[in-house]
Amino acid sequence: AQSVSQHNHHVILSEAASLELGCNYSYGGTVNLFWYVQYPGQHLQLLLKYFSGDPLVKGIKGFEAEFIKSKFSFNLRKPSVQWSDTAEYFCAVNAVKAAGNKLTFGGGTRVLVKP
Amino acid sequence: DAGVIQSPRHEVTEMGQEVTLRCKPISGHDYLFWYRQTMMRGLELLIYFNNNVPIDDSGMPEDRFSAKMPNASFSTLKIQPSEPRDSAVYFCASSLGTEYNSPLHFGNGTRLTVT
Repeated sequence: AQSVSQHNHHVILSEAASLELGCNYSYGGTVNLFWYVQYPGQHLQLLLKYFSGDPLVKGIKGFEAEFIKSKFSFNLRKPSVQWSDTAEYFCAVNAVKAAGNKLTFGGGTRVLVKP
Repeated sequence: DAGVIQSPRHEVTEMGQEVTLRCKPISGHDYLFWYRQTMMRGLELLIYFNNNVPIDDSGMPEDRFSAKMPNASFSTLKIQPSEPRDSAVYFCASSLGTEYNSPLHFGNGTRLTVT
């Protein structure tokens, strides 16, 4: 079974600072990788996804993530955060062979951006 | 596209009472998922359906929990009898599984409080 580990539970930073959130997964086969974001009081929304091809994936709102297969990692980055990026971020994975996107989520990282 | 619709948004009930959570997936989506979110355990997959048929209910915590999907546009998650430890936010999500790389679309969740 796959599992997903997010190293930081809470991150606090100031506006314009750079953000990097770690995500590692354990699964021996080919995977699809996702980052979801949950703004305060809202539902989860897809930020970006990786299926194949270029391991550097660009998503919405200036976020990007890099898939490093050898490290089983899919870290999320943003060069300069804004106050509106305050949210909880979830990394998720599913096995490519598993139809229907049965996702396994990491524990989430709460990001607080101070104005 | 109205998105995934869940009701109620908030539910407060007393221990021992029956609770029913409802979900309407996005029209045309053939996979439906129920997730539970708590501070302690993060996002847990409880059960998912494909074409109204339960595929994997291994995440359902115990027999007090049951889920049904009588048709393509409606699903329920029932807890009977409810207990305080069931307090959580319950999310429903749907996806177009025929394109098994398609992302999950989440509803706004039901915040359940059992006193």
